[in-house]
Amino acid sequence: EVQLVQSGAEVKKPGESLKISCKGSGYNFNNYWIAWVRLMPGKGLEWMGIIYPGHSDIKYSPSFQGQVTISADKSISTAYLQWSRLKASDSAMYYCARSDRYPLFGIFNYWGQGTPVTVSS
Amino acid sequence: DIQMTQSPSTLSASVGDRVTITCRASQTISSWLAWYQQKSGKAPKLLIYEASTLQSGVPSRFSGSGSGTEFTLTISSLQPDDFATYYCQQHNGYSPFTFGPGTKVEIK
Repeated sequence: EVQLVQSGAEVKKPGESLKISCKGSGYNFNNYWIAWVRLMPGKGLEWMGIIYPGHSDIKYSPSFQGQVTISADKSISTAYLQWSRLKASDSAMYYCARSDRYPLFGIFNYWGQGTPVTVSS
Repeated sequence: DIQMTQSPSTLSASVGDRVTITCRASQTISSWLAWYQQKSGKAPKLLIYEASTLQSGVPSRFSGSGSGTEFTLTISSLQPDDFATYYCQQHNGYSPFTFGPGTKVEIK
């Protein structure tokens, strides 16, 4: 069974760093792209970026380029989303999602449970 | 980048109603469009991809149509479990993979 299990809720202060994780199981983690998606309170889904763990190819949405870093450790089947300096506006729910393979690249049929991030002084 | 819009933003309907949601892309995306359902506090769920292909396990009351820049999601007979927010998303290569702003289906 394919599963994506995300790390737990985080409460941080502005200016702090953070790295959240998404562990895949039940499939070959190296061979499927993993995306990160943001859901802010009262807003819609926002696609942040995507990584191919097999060779760490990464594509960022222009809206998030330079604001976050996406990475993966294929030895432990885990993808990461990190911030170097959090802002209050980073408070949101963050989901990881697995893309289907070509020709259905960009279709996300498996999702993590979400990691809520709260940034407040 | 391709921009996605949806209408309406909110829809009030009753159980048994036929419901239609429209999604438009800022440029042609052929049939590379997916629909997701999200309930409060839950991860999104894939309903339809390639504009009209029903994901395995999704009830047949859901259907999708369209191509180019205009697409629709139809629920033929709204059920209590269908009250949720629905998002379209383009999956035309990598553009990036933009979502629409969402349509909330509420109980009338």
